[in-house]
Amino acid sequence: AQSVTQLGSHVSVSEGALVLLRCNYSSSVPPYLFWYVQYPNQGLQLLLKYTSAATLVKGINGFEAEFKKSETSFHLTKPSAHMSDAAEYFCAVSDGRSSASKIIFGSGTRLSIRP
Amino acid sequence: DGGITQSPKYLFRKEGQNVTLSCEQNLNHDAMYWYRQDPGQGLRLIYYSQIVNDFQKGDIAEGYSVSREKKESFPLTVTSAQKNPTAFYLCASSNPRTDTQYFGPGTRLTVL
Repeated sequence: AQSVTQLGSHVSVSEGALVLLRCNYSSSVPPYLFWYVQYPNQGLQLLLKYTSAATLVKGINGFEAEFKKSETSFHLTKPSAHMSDAAEYFCAVSDGRSSASKIIFGSGTRLSIRP
Repeated sequence: DGGITQSPKYLFRKEGQNVTLSCEQNLNHDAMYWYRQDPGQGLRLIYYSQIVNDFQKGDIAEGYSVSREKKESFPLTVTSAQKNPTAFYLCASSNPRTDTQYFGPGTRLTVL
């Protein structure tokens, strides 16, 4: 069975500061890992995904995430926060093996940016 | 433009009524999904469909029904049997070659 845990339901950083959103996963097979972003009253937008290629994955809006198998982690980072980054972020895992793999989502982390 | 559309954006229902949420995609994706989102609980899978005329229950299917008569469409009916239907509903689709799910803008359902 697969699962994903996001550490911290709410993270607040100052504008210009480093953003670090934590995600740990559990999977019995090599996982596919995703980060999605959701703005208020909107759907989810894919930020980036890991599918067993390079362990450092670059996404949109300056975000990146590093797959660390030894730590079963896939933390999301951005060097310098912008006010427009305020949103909810979801980490997700799938096994990527079936034609319609089920994705398991974490409970989300709400990111706030202080001026 | 390719994408996923959901309608309506806001929906109000009286207790005891069935309502149907629309989801249409023009991405030529085989698989489609319905999720329910409640505050602080992330997304929970209601139903999914891998091909036309086939669908499977997700983790919280009770009180919901779906159909998949066309590749482009995957409507969700919230029945009166759903005890607490007020939530944000998200539809998604995926291409088996990329295994990435793409989401619609969502429908917020409120039971009065």
